[in-house]
Amino acid sequence: DSGVTQTPKHLITATGQRVTLRCSPRSGDLSVYWYQQSLDQGLQFLIQYYNGEERAKGNILERFSAQQFPDLHSELNLSSLELGDSALYFCASSPRLSGQNTGELFFGEGSRLTVL
Amino acid sequence: AQKITQTQPGMFVQEKEAVTLDCTYDTSDQSYGLFWYKQPSSGEMIFLIYQGSYDEQNATEGRYSLNFQKARKSANLVISASQLGDSAMYFCAMREGGGSNYKLTFGKGTLLTVNP
Repeated sequence: DSGVTQTPKHLITATGQRVTLRCSPRSGDLSVYWYQQSLDQGLQFLIQYYNGEERAKGNILERFSAQQFPDLHSELNLSSLELGDSALYFCASSPRLSGQNTGELFFGEGSRLTVL
Repeated sequence: AQKITQTQPGMFVQEKEAVTLDCTYDTSDQSYGLFWYKQPSSGEMIFLIYQGSYDEQNATEGRYSLNFQKARKSANLVISASQLGDSAMYFCAMREGGGSNYKLTFGKGTLLTVNP
């Protein structure tokens, strides 16, 4: 158990709809990352937050948005869903990089989104 | 240009034999980190091993070792005495940045199948 909690684990919805994926990071971790893993693809970085602030953005579509709340949980909002958005969405958390921390990301179990 | 390249989409190995999974990376940073993660068919991401760019010794963790060749920019994973439970997708990743501003970039992965 990584300590990162993601909900829901599975989600089936229709094209054009909007969904929200939720992530609670490990206790003490201030950074939250979102990754997308489509079929037969590696993990694509979407966005990073640190203590409520957006720190880095990857190939995140304009239809997608995220935020990190004061209690450090994060939400990824996906709107106007298309068939191609079907994927496994991972949240990961990490502590600040330091001499004792390597930058390892601790992953949740993922939210599997199916768009029909 | 891809920052992490895994040239082997799939690999097969006999149980109890050793196997090497290839990974090359591209960065102009002096300080970076390299990671290997395992993703079994159940989907979770499991951290295996880490190598820092300034580490002179190759990292080892049980049956896993990382063959780090800095000049060649390669970070191959060696799994000794393969077990059936090693059958999974393996991802190489690189950390760039520091402090609270870093992220991991992943390769496309290698699917390892261990045959009895």
